[in-house]
Amino acid sequence: AAGVIQSPRHLIKEKRETATLKCYPIPRHDTVYWYQQGPGQDPQFLISFYEKMQSDKGSIPDRFSAQQFSDYHSELNMSSLELGDSALYFCASSPRTGGNEQFFGPGTRLTVL
Amino acid sequence: AQSVTQLDSQVPVFEEAPVELRCNYSSSVSVYLFWYVQYPNQGLQLLLKYLSGSTLVKGINGFEAEFNKSQTSFHLRKPSVHISDTAEYFCAVSDPGTSYGKLTFGQGTILTVHP
Repeated sequence: AAGVIQSPRHLIKEKRETATLKCYPIPRHDTVYWYQQGPGQDPQFLISFYEKMQSDKGSIPDRFSAQQFSDYHSELNMSSLELGDSALYFCASSPRTGGNEQFFGPGTRLTVL
Repeated sequence: AQSVTQLDSQVPVFEEAPVELRCNYSSSVSVYLFWYVQYPNQGLQLLLKYLSGSTLVKGINGFEAEFNKSQTSFHLRKPSVHISDTAEYFCAVSDPGTSYGKLTFGQGTILTVHP
């Protein structure tokens, strides 16, 4: 079965650089979620999209932005990177909104030097 | 606002022993409850979920959990663990009253199964 695809899997950036993370949801899933998991921490919700519109927003810094495109893939754009942005970034998708199972991708590990 | 507390940060057990990972939640509304497992350097995999109905939920890999509304708990159990169960386990909640199902996670419990 198809799973959530995230690219790249690993990314190394310098402070103040920008990064773009991509997420390809499972086919026919219309909702995408982004989570950030710092070292030794639980995943924290950043933002979600339903049918290409932002549906909810969590603890996402103003330096970050995201969008969902017409093919339902999503991109998380991160600017002015800081050391504290080093984390594992997960994308998840679900077939419809409201309480259903979220299928997680393998994550993108971002390291900011 | 919702919150999840996993009462044990680490649980060491011997192979073939039973295990219980504890999870309590706080919410002013009804919730959906989930347990996810994360193996090292991997994503999160759903073990089981409670949406409604029977309070005893069976999941993959022989895991089960019981929803206790009065105690606001959703403890995960397995009668006999294997070495391969060594991983980090996250309890999570979402609010069925909202349309978009974001998950709020607990702090995680590292289960280590010893031979």
